[in-house]
Amino acid sequence: SQTIHQWPATLVQPVGSPLSLECTVEGTSNPNLYWYRQAAGRGLQLLFYSVGIGQISSEVPQNLSASRPQDRQFILSSKKLLLSDSGFYLCAWKRLREYNSPLHFGNGTRLTVT
Amino acid sequence: EDKVVQSPLSLVVHEGDTVTLNCSYEVTNFRSLLWYKQEKKAPTFLFMLTSSGIEKKSGRLSSILDKKELFSILNITATQTGDSAIYLCAVYSGAGSYQLTFGKGTKLSVIP
Repeated sequence: SQTIHQWPATLVQPVGSPLSLECTVEGTSNPNLYWYRQAAGRGLQLLFYSVGIGQISSEVPQNLSASRPQDRQFILSSKKLLLSDSGFYLCAWKRLREYNSPLHFGNGTRLTVT
Repeated sequence: EDKVVQSPLSLVVHEGDTVTLNCSYEVTNFRSLLWYKQEKKAPTFLFMLTSSGIEKKSGRLSSILDKKELFSILNITATQTGDSAIYLCAVYSGAGSYQLTFGKGTKLSVIP
């Protein structure tokens, strides 16, 4: 069966510090991978998605970036965090080319920028 | 721009009550609508609806889609405290369907 791991679970970082959140998927090959951010009262906002190694699409201009160095690994990064980057970050996967299959989410990282 | 609107944003009910959560959408080239339940961490998948008028059911939860009026409802009968969660509605749209557009969610609180 497929599992998705996301870490760390919680993170407190000062403004201006770098960020690296990691997500890995097991039990499937060539998944579509996603990063969402959930802020209070704003729902889930898609940040990045990837359909293959090195292929990243950005949905929202911001100071975050994403990379996919391996098939089942997705990384969210920032060089300098802003206060507005605080939120709940969720990684998700779905099967490649199955357009109507559901996304499966990791347990999320709660980021607080102080 | 694709839009998914859920109502109410929050709801408090007593155990045993029946609740109806609403989701309306305005999207280009609708493909399917999904419901998720989010307790503390990961949203978990409940239903996917693609055809109008066909009810999906799982235990005390059921959902139906109206593609003409562009909305869906999620019903929960005989609510329990374990139903307390945020319920998210999301829509696949467009040619590629790589992305889900989510509503803001309905926060349901079930009190004993």
